Amino acid sequence: GAGVSQSPSNKVTEKGKDVELRCDPISGHTALYWYRQRLGQGLEFLIYFQGNSAPDKSGLPSDRFSAERTGESVSTLTIQRTQQEDSAVYLCASSLRREAHEQYFGPGTRLTVT
Amino acid sequence: DAKTTQPPSMDCAEGRAANLPCNHSTISGNEYVYWYRQIHSQGPQYIIHGLKNNETNEMASLIITEDRKSSTLILPHATLRDTAVYYCIVRVANYGQNFVFGPGTRLSVLP
Repeated sequence: GAGVSQSPSNKVTEKGKDVELRCDPISGHTALYWYRQRLGQGLEFLIYFQGNSAPDKSGLPSDRFSAERTGESVSTLTIQRTQQEDSAVYLCASSLRREAHEQYFGPGTRLTVT
Repeated sequence: DAKTTQPPSMDCAEGRAANLPCNHSTISGNEYVYWYRQIHSQGPQYIIHGLKNNETNEMASLIITEDRKSSTLILPHATLRDTAVYYCIVRVANYGQNFVFGPGTRLSVLP
């Protein structure tokens, strides 16, 4: 079946602009995660959605970052007034339920802020 | 805070077994050991997980010491396509916590 998809695959934006990144999880997966990966570094947790529960936003680095998810479907990550340090690959993952051992990752969106 | 310690890099000859170590000396009784890998320019991929017992699947074997303070991921016959960064993670499963990915081990499989 279809895996996790993300769009766009690449995004170049000017400093100060807002960007919106999209994640389509695997159908039926109730848990959805966003991570950030700077060049040459490990993954950094950003936010977690589980069904209709309040999201865990503990990893968001600043109030310029926000994310939404409608039910158990698509999620969007929005970065306002982008800064150069926001340049990274943004990865989305979904899992069947919150207790699931396996997270399925999308290919990521490479964001470059010039 | 990182809960695991891995060597930054390792080499392995193609066709030989790759043994990737991980230390997790502060692991709690309800924390699982997970291994993921990330091939260049792709998202991470689940490999295997375990709690106490050794585990094997079509990709790899996971050997966990009796005191659970360390583990080893074994790729029995490494191929060039196994070149990747391998992440060892400990996590409590039943609360849906996010995975904390450290820097991992960069495995280079050499021809």
